[in-house]
Amino acid sequence: DVKVTQSSRYLVKRTGEKVFLECVQDMDHENMFWYRQDPGLGLRLIYFSYDVKMKEKGDIPEGYSVSREKKERFSLILESASTNQTSMYLCASSLTRDRGLITEAFFGQGTRLTVV
Amino acid sequence: GQNIDQPTEMTATEGAIVQINCTYQTSGFNGLFWYQQHAGEAPTFLSYNVLDGLEEKGRFSSFLSWSKGYSYLLLKELQMKDSASYLCAVRTNTGFQKLVFGTGTRLLVSP
Repeated sequence: DVKVTQSSRYLVKRTGEKVFLECVQDMDHENMFWYRQDPGLGLRLIYFSYDVKMKEKGDIPEGYSVSREKKERFSLILESASTNQTSMYLCASSLTRDRGLITEAFFGQGTRLTVV
Repeated sequence: GQNIDQPTEMTATEGAIVQINCTYQTSGFNGLFWYQQHAGEAPTFLSYNVLDGLEEKGRFSSFLSWSKGYSYLLLKELQMKDSASYLCAVRTNTGFQKLVFGTGTRLLVSP
């Protein structure tokens, strides 16, 4: 089974802090994604990566950055946390199959971040 | 741009059949996924459609119509444990491929 592990289930941080959310997958997936999930807004894509050292902005990248130094690890960084970044953060990974199509995404358990 | 619509909430009775609809207007559409998400948990993959028609997986089936921009998830013989949110996600290939999610449909199954 694919396992996607996020480093923390719950986090509380102060406004202005630099926050690191870590995600590791153990199935050699090329593709990794960071989403945030908010009531009424669904899952929104923050950043994604299709290869080591590669990153692309999703739909809401402002206030975030990412790092992918190794294939299995994708980190989300909140440069200066703000209260509007209080949310559930979900990491996911997937393969690329025939004809270059990405497959279904497998999700980590989520990190509920509260910024106070 | 992308626009994905699902009903916010549905209710059904144990043992019944329920159909959850998803309509989308997206550029570069090339596939659709359904996920189940129980409260406080991560989404888990249910089904995938890339061709028109019905895909069946036990009690769950999913249908896709490319021309109509429409999909549905059909749940048969409902059980209490099916109470969850159901997320529709489209795969788009404008630029890089990505999965774009709808806001989800919360299904409540009652005895």
